[in-house]
Amino acid sequence: EVQLVESGGGLVQPGRSMKLSCAASGFTFNNYDMAWVCQAPKKGLEWVATISYDGSSTYYRDSVKGRFTISRDNAKSTLYLQMDSLRSEDTATYYCARIVGTYYYPHYFDYWGQGVMVTVSS
Amino acid sequence: DTVLTQSPALAVSPGERVSISCRASEGVNSYMHWYQQKPGQQPKLLIYKASNLASGVPARFSGSGSGTDFTLTIDPVEADDTATYFCQQSWNDPRTFGGGTKLELK
Repeated sequence: EVQLVESGGGLVQPGRSMKLSCAASGFTFNNYDMAWVCQAPKKGLEWVATISYDGSSTYYRDSVKGRFTISRDNAKSTLYLQMDSLRSEDTATYYCARIVGTYYYPHYFDYWGQGVMVTVSS
Repeated sequence: DTVLTQSPALAVSPGERVSISCRASEGVNSYMHWYQQKPGQQPKLLIYKASNLASGVPARFSGSGSGTDFTLTIDPVEADDTATYFCQQSWNDPRTFGGGTKLELK
């Protein structure tokens, strides 16, 4: 059974950093591109970042470029999101998701974690 | 960015057929996907590449469309289908989602 379990969320002050983790099991992690998708409270979904199966390529939405870093440790079957210079508008539930295909195509999400809440507030 | 427009909400009776639309601001070929999200849960893949049923999803769900206009159909609707439905495109950068359609049962 595919499982994705996020951790590391919580309350953080604006301008500070936070690192999210996503532990994967039930599939061969290093065969899949992975992504982070966020959802602000009572809002829609927003793609944040994608990393290729081997970590050699990363892709970000403009609003997080230069502030967030997606990475992975295939030996530990774990995905990460390092979030720096956090802003109030980053407040959201963050989901890790397994990608079908690559960033280019078809890039849809066939499994999602349960999500972890990040609240940016003073 | 490619904006995906969905109706905010729909209300239907069990046993009826419902169509949920998603209109893209620019063409996305057939690279439109649909997800179901129940309250307090993560999204679940229903349909990929416009019309392909994801594994384990009941055949009551179907998808159609290409270019800029897409439809998710549920026929017949069951009580358990109460949820918010999101479309997502993966043809243009960045990947974007629709705002979601909340389906309520009468």
